Amino acid sequence: GNSVTQMEGPVTLSEEAFLTINCTYTATGYPSLFWYVQYPGEGLQLLLKATKADDKGSNKGFEATYRKETTSFHLEKGSVQVSDSAVYFCALSGPLNTNAGKSTFGDGTTLTVKP
Amino acid sequence: NAGVTQTPKFQVLKTGQSMTLQCAQDMNHEYMSWYRQDPGMGLRLIHYSVGAGITDQGEVPNGYNVSRSTTEDFPLRLLSAAPSQTSVYFCASSYSSSEKQYFGPGTRLTVT
Repeated sequence: GNSVTQMEGPVTLSEEAFLTINCTYTATGYPSLFWYVQYPGEGLQLLLKATKADDKGSNKGFEATYRKETTSFHLEKGSVQVSDSAVYFCALSGPLNTNAGKSTFGDGTTLTVKP
Repeated sequence: NAGVTQTPKFQVLKTGQSMTLQCAQDMNHEYMSWYRQDPGMGLRLIHYSVGAGITDQGEVPNGYNVSRSTTEDFPLRLLSAAPSQTSVYFCASSYSSSEKQYFGPGTRLTVT
């Protein structure tokens, strides 16, 4: 079945540091890949997504590239801010016609950014 | 649009009680899902639906029932609550399997 493995946390960085959160996946076919962010006390919200190999998703300074050869979708940001402190989830959603409606999530990585 | 709404926000149950967590969306999404979130375990899929009248089991379905009589609503029923069901429950919906999911604000359930 499908699976997502995320870099274990927690991750603590100073403001303006470079961020990488690793994510690798196992899936049949060509899934869509997502990064979601969860701020304290809230539900998850989409941060970025990519639907095919070599696509780059980007939003709010965050980027991730769909690498089919390494089955990875690592999240990066060049300069983090205190407001980026949250839990980040990597996820995949089955390709059309299979696993419809099911998404698989990683365990989440807690990021704390200190001033 | 209200998006995805969940009620209640908080609930405390005694072991053996039953209850229904409500979820509704006003975006005309076909796909809806229920997840539970436990510390250190990420999100685990309980049940999901690909349209009205169609539901299927996810990763951890035991102890929960769902139905989908309308496109808008996807209630989750706990048949006989157990302490192991203490968790935060999230409902989500999406237009299709490859599109992003919209999450509700969650229901924090404690079973004593």
